[in-house]
Amino acid sequence: ELKVEQNPLFLSMQEGKNYTIYCNYSTTSDRLYWYRQDPGKSLESLFVLLSNGAVKQEGRLMASLDTKARLSTLHITAAVHDLSATYFCAVDNWAGNQFYFGTGTSLTVIP
Amino acid sequence: ETGVTQSPTHLIKTRGQQVTLRCSSQSGHNTVSWYQQALGQGPQFIFQYYREEENGRGNFPPRFSGLQFPNYSSELNVNALELDDSALYLCASSFKEEAGNEQFFGPGTRLTVL
Repeated sequence: ELKVEQNPLFLSMQEGKNYTIYCNYSTTSDRLYWYRQDPGKSLESLFVLLSNGAVKQEGRLMASLDTKARLSTLHITAAVHDLSATYFCAVDNWAGNQFYFGTGTSLTVIP
Repeated sequence: ETGVTQSPTHLIKTRGQQVTLRCSSQSGHNTVSWYQQALGQGPQFIFQYYREEENGRGNFPPRFSGLQFPNYSSELNVNALELDDSALYLCASSFKEEAGNEQFFGPGTRLTVL
């Protein structure tokens, strides 16, 4: 079974600082997804990465994918309080009919 | 564009009962996936429906079943409820023929089994 691991599980950071969340997965996959979940809410799609070397940026968040290393990163630049949430990465199989989510990274940005 | 909707929002059942959860896909989407999210954990894939047939399944027992209707809405049925079935149930819709499988999630149904 494909496994998806994120680290760190918990991240507390000061406003204005930079940090990176890591997502490792255990089998070959060319597609990786990042989601955000606020407490008690559903998941919001952030990024869809479809090939090796893909990089996408939205505001203070930038995601990248290295399929050879089976690694994706979510980089946070100059964090602000509004980014406080839980972030999940997910991969699917080649047929797109099985999905595997990571354990999640709970991010708290402190003023 | 109408987003993904789910009903009911909350539900309380007792062990052994059966439950049906409903999901309406986002306009233009043809695929629905269901997930179980226990408190403090990531979503666990239950199954996916495409063209009214089960198209993929995660590691869930047969008492978890589903349907997809011609309008692409979907139901998740759980029989013989157990305490461990208490969770947030999320459905997500997508358009399968597009590159990638970007899923859009509904607000979820919070199921409590007593």
